Amino acid sequence: KAGVTQTPRYLIKTRGQQVTLSCSPISGHRSVSWYQQTPGQGLQFLFEYFSETQRNKGNFPGRFSGRQFSNSRSEMNVSTLELGDSALYLCASSLSASNEKLFFGSGTQLSVL
Amino acid sequence: GESVGLHLPTLSVQEGDNSIINCAYSNSASDYFIWYKQESGKGPQFIIDIRSNMDKRQGQRVTVLLNKTVKHLSLQIAATQPGDSAVYFCAEIFPTGFQKLVFGTGTRLLVSP
Repeated sequence: KAGVTQTPRYLIKTRGQQVTLSCSPISGHRSVSWYQQTPGQGLQFLFEYFSETQRNKGNFPGRFSGRQFSNSRSEMNVSTLELGDSALYLCASSLSASNEKLFFGSGTQLSVL
Repeated sequence: GESVGLHLPTLSVQEGDNSIINCAYSNSASDYFIWYKQESGKGPQFIIDIRSNMDKRQGQRVTVLLNKTVKHLSLQIAATQPGDSAVYFCAEIFPTGFQKLVFGTGTRLLVSP
């Protein structure tokens, strides 16, 4: 069974641009969560989606948004990029909406110049 | 703010030694805990979990201990191998209506041959 797939693997953007990251969960998993990982802040929860609905949202500005499609694939978007948005963005999927036993992808490394 | 664990310490051990990685969690009402391993360039990988109604759980070469009195988790790795070198995170599930996994900042384990 394929794991969680995130694309692209690496991304370089400039301040003010926007970016869309993609995540394909493990087949059969319906819950997708997004995390931001930086050396200074560690793993910070962004949001969680289940059955195309956002169930929970972390403490991030409105520039960070996401969505989930009917096939459980998810995208997250960051608009008006700032230097501080440079981070590894991790997607994780789980079978149920309880968010237990998350299975992570390898992430998208975003660099904002 | 929410926090599990504190800074990112480093534990250096020799191959064959037993390793103990510690973690302090923040919410006394948390009822589920997970240890993850993250190797360079990869996403976190599930190692072992434990529920709050247990104080010990064993896996293959790993044991997790939970002390709810002092809100402390530990991960014991027996006969540590070079392949165990990674950053280890503990995480807790906050018992809110929408469960959210909160990660600590991690501990780097370095295993010397």
